[in-house]
Amino acid sequence: DAKTTQPNSMESNEEEPVHLPCNHSTISGTDYIHWYRQLPSQGPEYVIHGLTSNVNNRMASLAIAEDRKSSTLILHRATLRDAAVYYCILRDGRTYKYIFGTGTRLKVLA
Amino acid sequence: KAGVTQTPRYLIKTRGQQVTLSCSPISGHRSVSWYQQTPGQGLQFLFEYFSETQRNKGNFPGRFSGRQFSNSRSEMNVSTLELGDSALYLCASSLLSQTGEAFFGQGTRLTVV
Repeated sequence: DAKTTQPNSMESNEEEPVHLPCNHSTISGTDYIHWYRQLPSQGPEYVIHGLTSNVNNRMASLAIAEDRKSSTLILHRATLRDAAVYYCILRDGRTYKYIFGTGTRLKVLA
Repeated sequence: KAGVTQTPRYLIKTRGQQVTLSCSPISGHRSVSWYQQTPGQGLQFLFEYFSETQRNKGNFPGRFSGRQFSNSRSEMNVSTLELGDSALYLCASSLLSQTGEAFFGQGTRLTVV
């Protein structure tokens, strides 16, 4: 199973953009890159996903490197409610299985 | 539409007992996956069911088992509970595709004493 590597923690000031990096050097051609976040005492929540091209939705943007070995989740204006653990995950293209990494704990400072 | 429902939310069991956890997926979702979350190991994949068949299995001992019913509801069972089985057990339902997002329940917090 392909794995992802993320920093353990990051801090950001409220109202500023946040760039959360993820390395996935063993990604295969059919693996989709998914991001989820987990707020305290809740199950993980879908944020965004992509395959090769950069993606935008109402929550965030996903920038994928040309060689697909890394990606960055971008929160355009962090709020206190964005404080969570963010997981970068590869969804196996053959089995559809999610393999979670350790995630990045994002702290947002008021 | 209703989200993923897991019952019970909290459970306390003693070592050696067995436990059954339940998950009702979002209507129309036929894929149900189970995860174990602990502070030390993070989120670990247990197994996935689709149309009453186990499609994928993680690296857990045989004490952990599951099943899925014709209405897509799923149960997982843990027999001969150990202290190390104390964890948050999460269920997720999704459409079976590479792009389909998974919807997670709030989990069942199991404490083994």
